[in-house]
Amino acid sequence: AQKITQTQPGMFVQEKEAVTLDCTYDTSDPSYGLFWYKQPSSGEMIFLIYQGSYDQQNATEGRYSLNFQKARKSANLVISASQLGDSAMYFCAIQGSSNTGKLIFGQGTTLQVKP
Amino acid sequence: DVKVTQSSRYLVKRTGEKVFLECVQDMDHENMFWYRQDPGLGLRLIYFSYDVKMKEKGDIPEGYSVSREKKERFSLILESASTNQTSMYLCASYDRAATNEKLFFGSGTQLSVL
Repeated sequence: AQKITQTQPGMFVQEKEAVTLDCTYDTSDPSYGLFWYKQPSSGEMIFLIYQGSYDQQNATEGRYSLNFQKARKSANLVISASQLGDSAMYFCAIQGSSNTGKLIFGQGTTLQVKP
Repeated sequence: DVKVTQSSRYLVKRTGEKVFLECVQDMDHENMFWYRQDPGLGLRLIYFSYDVKMKEKGDIPEGYSVSREKKERFSLILESASTNQTSMYLCASYDRAATNEKLFFGSGTQLSVL
């Protein structure tokens, strides 16, 4: 069984500052992938970043980076230079090794960026 | 551009009604999913399908069924809607031929059961 835990229901950050959204996971699969999605108030799910369990380096995509600590089973999302448009719900998710595409999601974190 | 289309953005139904939520993808993906999203619970998998007429239960299948008669279309059916099925429903598709590919999501259907 796989599980994702996001312990921060809500976060505030000042515009232009960096913010870290926490995510811990549990899995018995030897190989897995970790995803972060953004959901603005419009409801669409926007893919942000992916980290494979065997990737040697932490994933980065523009202002998004993933702080992957395998031994601690954590995959925190770091957003640098926050913008007002970053205000949204953020979901961490895990995909196992079966390649069905099935994702198990965390509870989500609502981020509000203050001007 | 890839597209997953859910037929309704908002839907209001009465208790006991049979409800159909439709999802169509234009990417020729084999796998399709129905998730339910509730505040504080995140997204939970209801059902997924890995081929035409093939389906597998997710974590919360009770009260739901699905239909996949054509590859591009995956329907979620509430046989007798209840108020506790009021929720946001999200459809997604996945390219099984790709490795570590992301899910592509529709824009969601907000269902209210009165």
